[in-house]
Amino acid sequence: DADVTQTPRNRITKTGKRIMLECSQTKGHDRMYWYRQDPGLGLRLIYYSFDVKDINKGEISDGYSVSRQAQAKFSLSLESAIPNQTALYFCATSRGLGTDTQYFGPGTRLTVL
Amino acid sequence: AQSVTQPDIHITVSEGASLELRCNYSYGATPYLFWYVQSPGQGLQLLLKYFSGDTLVQGIKGFEAEFKRSQSSFNLRKPSVHWSDAAEYFCAVQVGNTPLVFGKGTRLSVIA
Repeated sequence: DADVTQTPRNRITKTGKRIMLECSQTKGHDRMYWYRQDPGLGLRLIYYSFDVKDINKGEISDGYSVSRQAQAKFSLSLESAIPNQTALYFCATSRGLGTDTQYFGPGTRLTVL
Repeated sequence: AQSVTQPDIHITVSEGASLELRCNYSYGATPYLFWYVQSPGQGLQLLLKYFSGDTLVQGIKGFEAEFKRSQSSFNLRKPSVHWSDAAEYFCAVQVGNTPLVFGKGTRLSVIA
């Protein structure tokens, strides 16, 4: 089984809808991250959490919110989706000690019409 | 401002040829340095990382990278490319306890 899982893998929605993307990990890591990937822009950090009680905004947090329900679960919400939020979204985890190797989920492809 | 630059958006090499992907960073302190690979339809996988010691780092799949402090560079190399190496490659840096910052990626195409 995969260490970092994301659901759904693909989602098509309409402008104005509320969307939740979920991430679960079995690696026992404290740190979790949400990124979005757009062609030519690489990966940009949306939010990150260093533990259950710690949530931090990343480079592009506007229009997004997150919830860290447990050490293993980190959800990303789009309260009112808009077309320019169409992207590939990745969740990642890391142990947070020393060099911070991140382990990535398979991604969620979100299309907002 | 802190930044990571991958100057090449797209590179095409012939199978069996050597490969070098460039990465430059702009940080006040020496960061931790990483290379990740993203195969089509997949998430990112760590190829290698540097945090101290020997400046030539060996990774998985026959890749290596060399840290050059004087040039603020961490270029990725492979002596002989295979068709399965076609993917997107991302350089990333980390300073202190902050999250990784990724470059915009270099897409590698391999031709016969």
